[in-house]
Amino acid sequence: EIVMTQSSVTLSVSPGERVTLSCRARQSIRNNLAWYQQKPGQAPRLLIYGASTRATGISPRFSGSGSGTEFTLTISSLQSEDFALYYCQQYNNWPPTFGQGTKLEIK
Amino acid sequence: EVQLLESGGGLVQPRGSLRLSCAASGFTFTTYAMNWVRQAPGKGLEWVSGINGGGDSTFYADSVRGRFTISRDNSKDTVYLQMNSLRADDTAVYYCARCLFIRAPYFDPWGQGTLVTVSS
Repeated sequence: EIVMTQSSVTLSVSPGERVTLSCRARQSIRNNLAWYQQKPGQAPRLLIYGASTRATGISPRFSGSGSGTEFTLTISSLQSEDFALYYCQQYNNWPPTFGQGTKLEIK
Repeated sequence: EVQLLESGGGLVQPRGSLRLSCAASGFTFTTYAMNWVRQAPGKGLEWVSGINGGGDSTFYADSVRGRFTISRDNSKDTVYLQMNSLRADDTAVYYCARCLFIRAPYFDPWGQGTLVTVSS
């Protein structure tokens, strides 16, 4: 199975700042990558699929980029509701696999 | 509104069995594949199992193959996960999640989850 690595376990960021989260695949997954947000006690929510396509209802503050093995999720101008856990997930190879998550915390 | 509602979690002894259900509403159920994804306490996400819209193709993670069985009843818009021979490391919140293509699954939306605790 493909191992997904998110380079930061925790990122401390101030509200209003721009932040970039990274995700790396051990082998090429083309653009078959999704990003999810999870808040405490809640289910994950799809943010991005196809590496760069925002899911329905997702704020334009969220943008994704990358292909092959290197991917990023950028959140422009962090709002209080954006402090959460973020997971990347590949769906190019079977089985689908997730990164270990990056927690965004308030600095 | 698309909704997924899981039920059936609880406390079960090692080597015991449990059946989870996920009732769907707000969309044409047969159009979508359905999946179970779990999250152990304080841990990350692990895909467990998936089933196509017609119910004739099923998929499993190596960690559960031979112990868990996924099925769906399209007349009831419900997907199930029969879990047998449960182990302590199966303890997790189990989420039901929809995807359009079972072979290229990204998950949207997710249910609220149901907690399964395997302990004596």
